[in-house]
Amino acid sequence: EVHLVQSGGGLVQPGGSLRLSCAASGFAFSSYAMHWVRQAPGMGLEYVSAISNSGGSAYYANSVKGRFTISRDNSKNTLYLQMGSLRAEDMAVYYCARVEWGGYADWGQGTLVTVSS
Amino acid sequence: DVVMTQSPLSLPVTLGQPASISCRSSQGLVYSDGNTYLNWFQQRPGQSPRRLIYEVSNRDSGVPDRFSGSGSGTDFTLKISRVEAEDVGVYYCMQGAHWPYTFGQGTKLQIK
Repeated sequence: EVHLVQSGGGLVQPGGSLRLSCAASGFAFSSYAMHWVRQAPGMGLEYVSAISNSGGSAYYANSVKGRFTISRDNSKNTLYLQMGSLRAEDMAVYYCARVEWGGYADWGQGTLVTVSS
Repeated sequence: DVVMTQSPLSLPVTLGQPASISCRSSQGLVYSDGNTYLNWFQQRPGQSPRRLIYEVSNRDSGVPDRFSGSGSGTDFTLKISRVEAEDVGVYYCMQGAHWPYTFGQGTKLQIK
């Protein structure tokens, strides 16, 4: 069974940094692209960032480009999202997701990022 | 970016009755490999999203057969043959054919 267990959320001041982690199990982690998706309070779902299975290619939504960095450690079966220069509009629940057949086959439990002074 | 437009945004349904959600994309969703990457997700209150349908009409493992997907080109539909109480939540369509992946606004299904 696929498990994606997230950690690292919390309260951060505007302009601050935070790193999210997503520990994967139950599948061949190094074979799959992984994404981060977020959901602002009471709102819909928004793609944030993507990384290829090898980690050699990374992509970002325009709203986070230059501020967020996605990475993965295939030896540890773990996905990361380093978030910097955080803004109020980055406040959301962040989900990691495994990509299969052109969509998100599995999701993490979500982690809340609160940006407030 | 590809815009995904869902309707209705609110869907009150009587238990045991059918329900249908429409999703229209601003561009066709056939990828270069010939597959159509249109997905449907269910998000129950307080839970992570869960994929129900991939590639227009394929049910994910464990998804009840009362859920079905159809469509082509830019018009797609999710149907629930007989709504049950556990189906309450928000339903999203999502395209994975063009970069970046984009979602519809969501349709909130509630019991009448």
